[in-house]
Amino acid sequence: KNQVEQSPQSLIILEGKNCTLQCNYTVSPFSNLRWYKQDTGRGPVSLTIMTFSENTKSNGRYTATLDADTKQSSLHITASQLSDSASYICVVSATRSNTGKLIFGQGTTLQVKP
Amino acid sequence: DVKVTQSSRYLVKRTGEKVFLECVQDMDHENMFWYRQDPGLGLRLIYFSYDVKMKEKGDIPEGYSVSREKKERFSLILESASTNQTSMYLCASSRVVTEAFFGQGTRLTVV
Repeated sequence: KNQVEQSPQSLIILEGKNCTLQCNYTVSPFSNLRWYKQDTGRGPVSLTIMTFSENTKSNGRYTATLDADTKQSSLHITASQLSDSASYICVVSATRSNTGKLIFGQGTTLQVKP
Repeated sequence: DVKVTQSSRYLVKRTGEKVFLECVQDMDHENMFWYRQDPGLGLRLIYFSYDVKMKEKGDIPEGYSVSREKKERFSLILESASTNQTSMYLCASSRVVTEAFFGQGTRLTVV
């Protein structure tokens, strides 16, 4: 069964600190992996996308890694800001012929405190 | 930038009402999706459409129907709203089915 598991479920850090969010997946056949940021009451916005051959992708203070062998991804946030408070959702896409399916993790809720 | 616009941010409806949620995208995308998002359950696919007048059931289609008469517009219909349909509804569109650009969401409360 295709699944995406994220940890931790929630996290509280102080402004300026770094943090790492984890995503483990069992999705086959794998197409790509995205990290989305969802502010409270808003729709998700894509931060990064990685395909099978990519190990690292950065977007400003956000750096995503992918280990396709162990089927793990992480999202590292550097020098956190209050505006980083949001839910972060890992999404893996599975492809089979011309159809595709997005498998969503349940998200990690990050709270950055001053 | 892709723009996916949902007609309402917040909606309150009564049990038994017929409810229409509208979504419009401006990027000429073939694919459009409706998801609902609930705490602890993540995003779940209700319906998707890969072309005008075409639709496919997602994982939780019961109690919902959809309409796609024009390429840019995808409507979600709750035939008879129930309290267990209180949720955050997210519309998305894409050029390929392995990606999704989301709207801002509609918070629906059924009382």
